Amino acid sequence: QQQVKQSPQSLIVQKGGISIINCAYENTAFDYFPWYQQFPGKGPALLIAIRPDVSEKKEGRFTISFNKSAKQFSLHIMDSQPGDSATYFCAAAGGTSYGKLTFGQGTILTVHP
Amino acid sequence: GAVVSQHPSWVICKSGTSVKIECRSLDFQATTMFWYRQFPKQSLMLMATSNEGSKATYEQGVEKDKFLINHASLTLSTLTVTSAHPEDSSFYICSAPGQGRLEQYFGPGTRLTVT
Repeated sequence: QQQVKQSPQSLIVQKGGISIINCAYENTAFDYFPWYQQFPGKGPALLIAIRPDVSEKKEGRFTISFNKSAKQFSLHIMDSQPGDSATYFCAAAGGTSYGKLTFGQGTILTVHP
Repeated sequence: GAVVSQHPSWVICKSGTSVKIECRSLDFQATTMFWYRQFPKQSLMLMATSNEGSKATYEQGVEKDKFLINHASLTLSTLTVTSAHPEDSSFYICSAPGQGRLEQYFGPGTRLTVT
Protein backbone atom coordinates (compact mmCIF):
# COMPACT_ATOMS: atom_id res chain seq x y z
CA GLN A 1 0.00 0.00 0.00
CA GLN A 2 3.01 2.23 0.38
CA GLN A 3 4.16 1.78 -3.19
CA VAL A 4 4.30 4.38 -5.89
CA LYS A 5 4.46 2.84 -9.33
CA GLN A 6 6.16 4.82 -12.09
CA SER A 7 6.26 4.31 -15.82
CA PRO A 8 7.89 4.15 -18.27
CA GLN A 9 11.26 2.93 -17.03
CA SER A 10 12.97 4.79 -19.85
CA LEU A 11 11.88 7.34 -22.41
CA ILE A 12 13.48 8.74 -25.54
CA VAL A 13 12.17 11.99 -26.96
CA GLN A 14 13.28 14.28 -29.73
CA LYS A 15 14.23 17.85 -28.96
CA GLY A 16 11.12 20.00 -28.84
CA GLY A 17 8.85 17.06 -28.09
CA ILE A 18 6.70 16.36 -25.05
CA SER A 19 7.91 13.96 -22.37
CA ILE A 20 5.23 12.28 -20.28
CA ILE A 21 5.89 10.24 -17.15
CA ASN A 22 3.15 8.57 -15.16
CA CYS A 23 2.78 7.53 -11.54
CA ALA A 24 0.12 5.72 -9.55
CA TYR A 25 -0.26 5.36 -5.82
CA GLU A 26 -2.37 3.27 -3.48
CA ASN A 27 -2.16 4.93 -0.10
CA THR A 28 -5.04 7.40 0.21
CA ALA A 29 -3.23 9.11 3.09
CA PHE A 30 -0.78 10.58 0.59
CA ASP A 31 -1.54 14.23 -0.04
CA TYR A 32 1.69 15.67 -1.37
CA PHE A 33 3.16 14.63 -4.70
CA PRO A 34 6.52 16.07 -5.78
CA TRP A 35 8.65 15.32 -8.80
CA TYR A 36 12.42 15.23 -8.60
CA GLN A 37 15.12 15.41 -11.27
CA GLN A 38 18.40 13.63 -10.68
CA PHE A 39 21.59 13.80 -12.70
CA PRO A 40 24.22 11.03 -12.38
CA GLY A 41 26.17 11.29 -9.15
CA LYS A 42 24.02 14.11 -7.81
CA GLY A 43 21.23 14.42 -5.29
CA PRO A 44 17.62 14.81 -6.47
CA ALA A 45 16.41 18.33 -7.15
CA LEU A 46 12.80 19.33 -6.56
CA LEU A 47 11.10 20.23 -9.83
CA ILE A 48 7.46 20.76 -9.08
CA ALA A 49 4.87 19.44 -6.62
CA ILE A 50 1.11 19.24 -6.30
CA ARG A 51 -1.50 18.64 -3.65
CA PRO A 52 -4.85 16.90 -4.26
CA ASP A 53 -6.92 20.07 -4.10
CA VAL A 54 -5.94 20.98 -7.65
CA SER A 55 -5.94 18.88 -10.82
CA GLU A 56 -3.10 20.61 -12.59
CA LYS A 57 -0.09 22.74 -11.79
CA LYS A 58 2.25 24.36 -14.27
CA GLU A 59 5.67 25.86 -13.73
CA GLY A 60 7.46 26.89 -16.88
CA ARG A 61 7.82 23.87 -19.16
CA PHE A 62 6.80 21.44 -16.41
CA THR A 63 3.18 20.50 -15.70
CA ILE A 64 1.75 18.05 -13.20
CA SER A 65 -1.66 16.53 -13.90
CA PHE A 66 -3.41 14.93 -10.96
CA ASN A 67 -6.36 12.54 -10.96
CA LYS A 68 -7.47 11.94 -7.39
CA SER A 69 -10.19 9.40 -8.18
CA ALA A 70 -7.79 7.27 -10.21
CA LYS A 71 -4.93 7.86 -7.77
CA GLN A 72 -2.65 8.82 -10.62
CA PHE A 73 -0.47 11.78 -11.44
CA SER A 74 1.82 12.60 -14.31
CA LEU A 75 4.62 14.93 -15.30
CA HIS A 76 4.62 16.61 -18.69
CA ILE A 77 7.77 18.28 -19.96
CA MET A 78 6.97 20.56 -22.85
CA ASP A 79 9.53 21.52 -25.50
CA SER A 80 11.95 18.92 -24.15
CA GLN A 81 15.65 19.86 -24.39
CA PRO A 82 18.83 17.76 -24.34
CA GLY A 83 19.62 19.36 -20.98
CA ASP A 84 16.48 17.71 -19.60
CA SER A 85 18.12 14.31 -20.03
CA ALA A 86 18.17 12.91 -16.50
CA THR A 87 16.36 10.49 -14.23
CA TYR A 88 12.99 11.64 -12.98
CA PHE A 89 11.35 10.38 -9.82
CA CYS A 90 7.81 10.88 -8.67
CA ALA A 91 7.21 10.69 -4.95
CA ALA A 92 4.42 10.86 -2.42
CA ALA A 93 4.04 11.73 1.22
CA GLY A 94 1.34 12.53 3.68
CA GLY A 95 0.12 12.34 7.21
CA THR A 96 2.38 13.57 9.96
CA SER A 97 5.66 13.71 8.08
CA TYR A 98 6.05 15.11 4.60
CA GLY A 99 9.75 14.33 4.73
CA LYS A 100 9.14 10.60 4.61
CA LEU A 101 8.89 10.36 0.86
CA THR A 102 7.96 7.20 -0.98
CA PHE A 103 9.63 7.28 -4.38
CA GLY A 104 8.65 5.74 -7.68
CA GLN A 105 11.12 3.55 -9.52
CA GLY A 106 12.42 6.36 -11.71
CA THR A 107 12.34 7.16 -15.42
CA ILE A 108 15.50 7.68 -17.44
CA LEU A 109 14.74 10.43 -19.94
CA THR A 110 16.92 10.92 -22.99
CA VAL A 111 16.26 13.89 -25.24
CA HIS A 112 17.95 13.65 -28.62
CA PRO A 113 19.07 16.89 -30.29
CA GLY B 1 15.38 26.87 -2.45
CA ALA B 2 17.11 25.75 0.70
CA VAL B 3 20.66 24.42 0.44
CA VAL B 4 21.73 21.14 1.99
CA SER B 5 25.35 20.02 1.89
CA GLN B 6 27.00 16.67 2.58
CA HIS B 7 30.54 15.70 3.44
CA PRO B 8 32.36 13.83 2.15
CA SER B 9 31.05 13.53 -1.38
CA TRP B 10 32.94 10.28 -1.87
CA VAL B 11 34.58 7.88 0.55
CA ILE B 12 36.30 4.53 0.29
CA CYS B 13 36.78 2.43 3.40
CA LYS B 14 37.93 -1.06 4.21
CA SER B 15 35.56 -3.76 5.33
CA GLY B 16 35.04 -3.71 9.09
CA THR B 17 35.78 -0.04 9.57
CA SER B 18 33.33 2.77 10.31
CA VAL B 19 32.66 5.88 8.28
CA LYS B 20 30.83 9.08 9.21
CA ILE B 21 28.79 11.16 6.77
CA GLU B 22 27.72 14.70 7.58
CA CYS B 23 24.57 16.49 6.43
CA ARG B 24 24.24 20.22 6.96
CA SER B 25 21.49 22.71 6.28
CA LEU B 26 23.39 25.80 5.15
CA ASP B 27 20.93 28.64 5.29
CA PHE B 28 18.16 27.34 7.49
CA GLN B 29 17.55 25.31 10.60
CA ALA B 30 16.20 21.78 10.46
CA THR B 31 14.90 20.04 13.55
CA THR B 32 14.30 17.00 11.36
CA MET B 33 16.41 15.54 8.60
CA PHE B 34 16.02 12.36 6.62
CA TRP B 35 18.51 9.80 5.37
CA TYR B 36 18.01 7.84 2.17
CA ARG B 37 20.00 5.14 0.44
CA GLN B 38 20.17 4.65 -3.31
CA PHE B 39 21.75 1.63 -4.94
CA PRO B 40 23.00 1.96 -8.54
CA LYS B 41 20.22 2.47 -11.06
CA GLN B 42 17.60 2.15 -8.34
CA SER B 43 15.26 4.47 -6.52
CA LEU B 44 15.72 6.19 -3.18
CA MET B 45 14.73 4.31 -0.06
CA LEU B 46 14.14 6.07 3.23
CA MET B 47 16.39 4.73 5.96
CA ALA B 48 15.66 6.89 8.98
CA THR B 49 14.43 10.17 10.37
CA SER B 50 16.95 12.23 12.28
CA ASN B 51 15.48 14.29 15.12
CA GLU B 52 17.32 17.12 16.83
CA GLY B 53 17.43 16.46 20.56
CA SER B 54 15.99 12.98 20.44
CA LYS B 55 16.62 9.53 19.05
CA ALA B 56 16.39 8.79 15.38
CA THR B 57 13.56 6.65 14.09
CA TYR B 58 14.40 3.90 11.65
CA GLU B 59 12.41 2.38 8.84
CA GLN B 60 11.56 -1.29 8.95
CA GLY B 61 14.51 -3.46 8.04
CA VAL B 62 17.18 -0.84 8.75
CA GLU B 63 19.62 -1.86 11.48
CA LYS B 64 19.82 0.97 13.97
CA ASP B 65 23.02 -0.38 15.53
CA LYS B 66 24.71 -0.41 12.16
CA PHE B 67 23.56 2.98 10.94
CA LEU B 68 24.06 5.38 13.83
CA ILE B 69 22.41 8.76 13.48
CA ASN B 70 23.16 11.81 15.58
CA HIS B 71 21.39 15.14 15.15
CA ALA B 72 23.95 17.28 16.96
CA SER B 73 22.49 20.70 16.23
CA LEU B 74 19.75 22.44 14.28
CA THR B 75 21.96 22.41 11.18
CA LEU B 76 23.86 19.12 11.41
CA SER B 77 22.96 15.46 11.25
CA THR B 78 25.50 12.66 10.95
CA LEU B 79 25.16 9.10 9.74
CA THR B 80 27.82 6.64 10.85
CA VAL B 81 28.02 3.32 9.07
CA THR B 82 29.60 0.97 11.57
CA SER B 83 31.54 -2.16 10.68
CA ALA B 84 30.96 -1.47 7.03
CA HIS B 85 30.78 -4.34 4.55
CA PRO B 86 30.80 -4.33 0.74
CA GLU B 87 27.00 -4.67 0.66
CA ASP B 88 26.80 -1.28 2.40
CA SER B 89 28.34 0.33 -0.67
CA SER B 90 25.75 2.77 -1.89
CA PHE B 91 24.82 6.41 -2.44
CA TYR B 92 23.66 7.98 0.81
CA ILE B 93 21.57 11.13 0.54
CA CYS B 94 20.08 13.34 3.23
CA SER B 95 17.18 15.74 2.99
CA ALA B 96 15.66 18.48 5.08
CA PRO B 97 12.37 20.33 4.91
CA GLY B 98 12.30 23.92 3.80
CA GLN B 99 10.42 26.64 5.60
CA GLY B 100 7.20 25.59 3.95
CA ARG B 101 7.37 22.18 5.69
CA LEU B 102 6.24 20.38 2.55
CA GLU B 103 9.20 20.85 0.26
CA GLN B 104 12.11 18.54 0.94
CA TYR B 105 15.56 19.57 -0.20
CA PHE B 106 18.21 16.97 -0.82
CA GLY B 107 21.93 17.09 -0.34
CA PRO B 108 24.34 16.18 -3.15
CA GLY B 109 24.84 12.69 -1.78
CA THR B 110 27.81 10.69 -0.52
CA ARG B 111 29.14 7.76 -2.51
CA LEU B 112 30.37 5.05 -0.11
CA THR B 113 32.52 2.23 -1.44
CA VAL B 114 33.52 -0.53 0.97
CA THR B 115 36.41 -2.71 -0.19
